Amino acid sequence: ETGVTQTPRHLVMGMTNKKSLKCEQHLGHNAMYWYKQSAKKPLELMFVYNFKEQTENNSVPSRFSPECPNSSHLFLHLHTLQPEDSALYLCASSQDGGEKLFFGSGTQLSVL
Amino acid sequence: SQKIEQNSEALNIQEGKTATLTCNYTNYSPAYLQWYRQDPGRGPVFLLLIRENEKEKRKERLKVTFDTTLKQSLFHITASQPADSATYLCAPSMNRDDKIIFGKGTRLHILP
Repeated sequence: ETGVTQTPRHLVMGMTNKKSLKCEQHLGHNAMYWYKQSAKKPLELMFVYNFKEQTENNSVPSRFSPECPNSSHLFLHLHTLQPEDSALYLCASSQDGGEKLFFGSGTQLSVL
Repeated sequence: SQKIEQNSEALNIQEGKTATLTCNYTNYSPAYLQWYRQDPGRGPVFLLLIRENEKEKRKERLKVTFDTTLKQSLFHITASQPADSATYLCAPSMNRDDKIIFGKGTRLHILP
């Protein structure tokens, strides 16, 4: 158990659906991250929040919308996704600005 | 742009031998470098962090070196075991930078 919990573990959605991924960390960390991991590709950084403020948006399409209501919770709202968005979505947190990231187990997303 | 290279092919090592993984980077000067382990379908797990002023770092059977002249880090697992089989990711990072970028990872198989 890493102290970072992601739900759901698996999600299947149609291209017209709206869904949300949830991440919660119990480590008292200040920073939270969303990464996307597709097969045969490296981890792709999507968003970073530090003290609830978004500090990085790595040119992510607007169909992905992050929300960070407090330092412990992070959401990724999904809307009209494409099949190529199917991937493992990983949440992470850290205390010290990018050192020692703690990852959740991820949400395996399939877009049909 | 920043580039991180890890052995893209899988690495097969006989149990008991030392496994050595390579991480090369170009077009930037990281202040520190992290190594993570990732098992299939799971999030990466932090292993070691080495700073630019450190030549070597050890943790149990793990050893990391950081050569800022060669722009390279080596990750060693001594007395390797089948349980060490996983994908290993490196992440060279700028100081206090939230934008943590990972290499593609090297898949390591320890053969019994």
